[in-house]
Amino acid sequence: ILNVEQSPQSLHVQEGDSTNFTCSFPSSNFYALHWYRWETAKSPEALFVMTLNGDEKKKGRISATLNTKEGYSYLYIKGSQPEDSATYLCAFHSRYSSASKIIFGSGTRLSIRP
Amino acid sequence: GAVVSQHPSRVICKSGTSVKIECRSLDFQATTMFWYRQFPKQSLMLMATSNEGSKATYEQGVEKDKFLINHASLTLSTLTVTSAHPEDSSFYICSARDRAGGREQYFGPGTRLTVT
Repeated sequence: ILNVEQSPQSLHVQEGDSTNFTCSFPSSNFYALHWYRWETAKSPEALFVMTLNGDEKKKGRISATLNTKEGYSYLYIKGSQPEDSATYLCAFHSRYSSASKIIFGSGTRLSIRP
Repeated sequence: GAVVSQHPSRVICKSGTSVKIECRSLDFQATTMFWYRQFPKQSLMLMATSNEGSKATYEQGVEKDKFLINHASLTLSTLTVTSAHPEDSSFYICSARDRAGGREQYFGPGTRLTVT
């Protein structure tokens, strides 16, 4: 059974502060790691697809790193803003899963205090 | 681009009735769509993979006769919850992969089903 863990479950951050959270996944048979941002009443939005060990990706104030050997990815948000409040999901794609099957973590719910 | 719609967004039905949920890719063609279910405070659980023009592939433990999936065109997949029971109350969300390629899945906004 593939297990994808995210921590913490929830996080409250003061506006302007930077924050980060973790996604842990199996270190074997890695194919890709996805990050999504999911705001209430909206569709989950794809942030990053990461495929190579050591990958670092950036989108505005949000960035992510990937370590496939030890099975973790960090998502960083610099200078948090109220619009960053959302649930951040990671999803693991195994090399031996069916072509498009990905396994989701339960998410980190981020709240930004103005 | 890459917008997926889902309808309805909320539905309340009586026990024993059937409910159909539609998932549409609005600006791309999707040969593959996915149906997920989310229980409170849990992760998205894949129920089935829907392939255009062929039978859906169901995950272990998901009853195919209860959750009927039809993917009749490159832009539409439907999930019908048959003879719904209160334990079927949940959040159902679909996603689609662009036929043109890429690893991303594009999600709909989800449907909240309540069975009374």
